[in-house]
Amino acid sequence: GENVEQHPSTLSVQEGDSAVIKCTYSDSASNYFPWYKQELGKGPQLIIDIRSNVGEKKDQRIAVTLNKTAKHFSLHITETQPEDSAVYFCAAITIYNQGGKLIFGQGTELSVKP
Amino acid sequence: EAEVAQSPRYKITEKSQAVAFWCDPISGHATLYWYRQILGQGPELLVQFQDESVVDDSQLPKDRFSAERLKGVDSTLKIQPAELGDSAMYLCASSLPRRGYSYNEQFFGPGTRLTVL
Repeated sequence: GENVEQHPSTLSVQEGDSAVIKCTYSDSASNYFPWYKQELGKGPQLIIDIRSNVGEKKDQRIAVTLNKTAKHFSLHITETQPEDSAVYFCAAITIYNQGGKLIFGQGTELSVKP
Repeated sequence: EAEVAQSPRYKITEKSQAVAFWCDPISGHATLYWYRQILGQGPELLVQFQDESVVDDSQLPKDRFSAERLKGVDSTLKIQPAELGDSAMYLCASSLPRRGYSYNEQFFGPGTRLTVL
């Protein structure tokens, strides 16, 4: 089955710096890759996603890149702010006819220091 | 803004006791998911419902866990008997129903944090 590895497990940056979180997946059939942000005491919230037919997607300060050949995808946060501090999870899913389930990475705890 | 509701938020129990968690999905969301999130790890799917039917329960430890969604709306996850290793966050999520190869965003509730002593 699918396996998703996420690195690093913790990341500390200064406010205004960039943060990069990387994930690898094992199932070449995976075709949808969401990223979730989980704040303390809350459930995960989708922040950006990318499909396998797209190499890059950007939404304001957040961008995601996908390398299907290498089975890598990454989250890039620019101009980090203290409110970006949270745990971030990558995930992968193989969407088939009305089926498929999300497989999550282990999470990255991002700390943005003022 | 519509949200997924879960209760209780926190539960402490002793091993061998029974516990139950409740989830009320966003109105109109036919698909409901229960996940388990062990501290320091990502969520892992336990069971998925489409309306009142189970779509996937391959990771649900059926000897002690059960889940139901009798009227296709709210859902209950039960553990009996609870074991020390069941201590985790139990998350409920819901989404619009899938149609063919479409994928709809899953919206997560705040979770129930279970501690088994």
